[in-house]
Amino acid sequence: DQQVKQNSPSLSVQEGRISILNCDYTNSMFDYFLWYKKYPAEGPTFLISISSIKDKNEDGRFTVFLNKSAKHLSLHIVPSQPGDSAVYFCAASAPSGSARQLTFGSGTQLTVLP
Amino acid sequence: NAGVTQTPKFQVLKTGQSMTLQCAQDMNHNSMYWYRQDPGMGLRLIYYSASEGTTDKGEVPNGYNVSRLNKREFSLRLESAAPSQTSVYFCASSGQVPGELFFGEGSRLTVL
Repeated sequence: DQQVKQNSPSLSVQEGRISILNCDYTNSMFDYFLWYKKYPAEGPTFLISISSIKDKNEDGRFTVFLNKSAKHLSLHIVPSQPGDSAVYFCAASAPSGSARQLTFGSGTQLTVLP
Repeated sequence: NAGVTQTPKFQVLKTGQSMTLQCAQDMNHNSMYWYRQDPGMGLRLIYYSASEGTTDKGEVPNGYNVSRLNKREFSLRLESAAPSQTSVYFCASSGQVPGELFFGEGSRLTVL
């Protein structure tokens, strides 16, 4: 029973357009959410996070939105660049920030077309 | 910038053989982790170590053992490998930022 779900295994976007990656969760105890990015033959790298006390967090071209009532978060990349092509994992944590409690989604392969 | 280093990067085993995956970090982190990644499953926690001398089971610990040798090193051992343990294994460590894990490059293990 996956508590964190990424229902889109893949997404293709034109360079310069917006990429929107989605993630749903079922456990209402999750209170901290993260996105990781993974290139082939490399380990995942931390991208951006958001606490459940917020509904939006921005870092440059990357913005994460959290809708607690819908148990849904999304990652927006604007504008998308070819170098953003990677697998994106969302992750959720409970209690707040405890790394050992991270639950990962199955990932979405983003391809940005030049 | 070494960060988290894991060896070997690739390994092929026969069923029943044993092996140890090595991991070392140079960021002076207290916490270290072993994850496995399988297609369609995301990353699943096998074992973690909150500090030197302590280890705890994660979501999928069966068939594995770990050793936190010192603050830098955290090894994962498969005593009797099974085909179900074919996977990509990632070691990670964490510092002060909540939830921010630093991963190694991964070790691809195939059990025949």
